[in-house]
Amino acid sequence: SAVISQKPSRDICQRGTSLTIQCQVDSQVTMMFWYRQQPGQSLTLIATANQGSEATYESGFVIDKFPISRPNLTFSTLTVSNMSPEDSSIYLCSVGLAGGGNEQFFGPGTRLTVL
Amino acid sequence: DAKTTQPPSMDCAEGRAANLPCNHSTISGNEYVYWYRQIHSQGPQYIIHGLKNNETNEMASLIITEDRKSSTLILPHATLRDTAVYYCIVRVAGGSTLGRLYFGRGTQLTVWP
Repeated sequence: SAVISQKPSRDICQRGTSLTIQCQVDSQVTMMFWYRQQPGQSLTLIATANQGSEATYESGFVIDKFPISRPNLTFSTLTVSNMSPEDSSIYLCSVGLAGGGNEQFFGPGTRLTVL
Repeated sequence: DAKTTQPPSMDCAEGRAANLPCNHSTISGNEYVYWYRQIHSQGPQYIIHGLKNNETNEMASLIITEDRKSSTLILPHATLRDTAVYYCIVRVAGGSTLGRLYFGRGTQLTVWP
């Protein structure tokens, strides 16, 4: 398994500003992902964070809005840019471990409220 | 794009078995069935996965029909702490989509005393 931490755990932000969310894993992992969970909804995959290269974004998500960094195998950041109230969500990172059943482990999430 | 259908809600008495169904009639031969759950205000937690054989671990059992078009997650002795949203997901275990999970709406399981 893997232990994942996220910072901040929650934040309240003003419209038009940006927030960077950090995800730290206690071991080196191959795969890291970012998800969004809007209020009362299921999880939606935003992108795959690739170490040493640009992230791979899912349909409906773009780099200008959600820039992602992955400088090494234990850390990634997601920035929510030029925020609007529609960006109010829980943002979660997850990691996949090579081998085994390819199950994923999720962080506790960052609860973002945009006013 | 979720490829599964689950009932939106179920309930179960504490101590009894909880049987959560999932339909995945368009599943491909190389796709696995995964189950995750999300307890309120927490990140999802992996439960179990399988390809075509029934599987059991310390948390649950997974029964997959012979035609693989449906499956059932069984929590043998449900407790109050099992109250959560349960997600059934089908995906290829490798390849270009390795690791990506596409969540549907899931089933809200409520275990009552």
